[in-house]
Amino acid sequence: GAVVSQHPSRVICKSGTSVKIECRSLDFQATTMFWYRQFPKKSLMLMATSNEGSKATYEQGVEKDKFLINHASLTLSTLTVTSAHPEDSSFYICSAGTSGSLPNEQFFGPGTRLTVL
Amino acid sequence: AQSVAQPEDQVNVAEGNPLTVKCTYSVSGNPYLFWYVQYPNRGLQFLLKYITGDNLVKGSYGFEAEFNKSQTSFHLKKPSALVSDSALYFCAVRPLNTGFQKLVFGTGTRLLVSP
Repeated sequence: GAVVSQHPSRVICKSGTSVKIECRSLDFQATTMFWYRQFPKKSLMLMATSNEGSKATYEQGVEKDKFLINHASLTLSTLTVTSAHPEDSSFYICSAGTSGSLPNEQFFGPGTRLTVL
Repeated sequence: AQSVAQPEDQVNVAEGNPLTVKCTYSVSGNPYLFWYVQYPNRGLQFLLKYITGDNLVKGSYGFEAEFNKSQTSFHLKKPSALVSDSALYFCAVRPLNTGFQKLVFGTGTRLLVSP
């Protein structure tokens, strides 16, 4: 149980185009989803937290107009990188969590490798 | 400010030997602590967590970690390393005064187990 999928796993796009990454919780309802960015040989940087049906909360320094997050249902969140540039190339990882009184571990997706040419 | 430190970029160990991956934290109050493992081009996999109770926590794949409040540490250990344990390991903390499930990650430690 507690499987999170991401699609696509790898995407290559031209500079200036927009890319959408999907994050799905396959067997549970994710009230909260998180989007992380990971640079090579670096830790995960939390970009934003999204709750179903409400606007995402972005971390300081993350452009909300650049990285659009939609959490339309309890099983799907999307991250759209708008007008992508080579510096947006990175490994993007989502995670999902369920509601509850305990700090349940986050369930992570397999990641999406974005390469912007 | 809450933070997690993993002082070693890489840990090398021979197969069959015990391994330790270090983690120290700095948070207000009692933290919730986690270890995750990441294989190349993959997401993070949960290994274990400390919430409360016994300071020695046992997790997946034979890993365990010991919570030491006085030293603010949560080192990851395994009695006998396998080559397949070679991966990137992240320590994370959930400070109590942050939002729901928000995690702060360490910089990661690459474990290399040689045959």
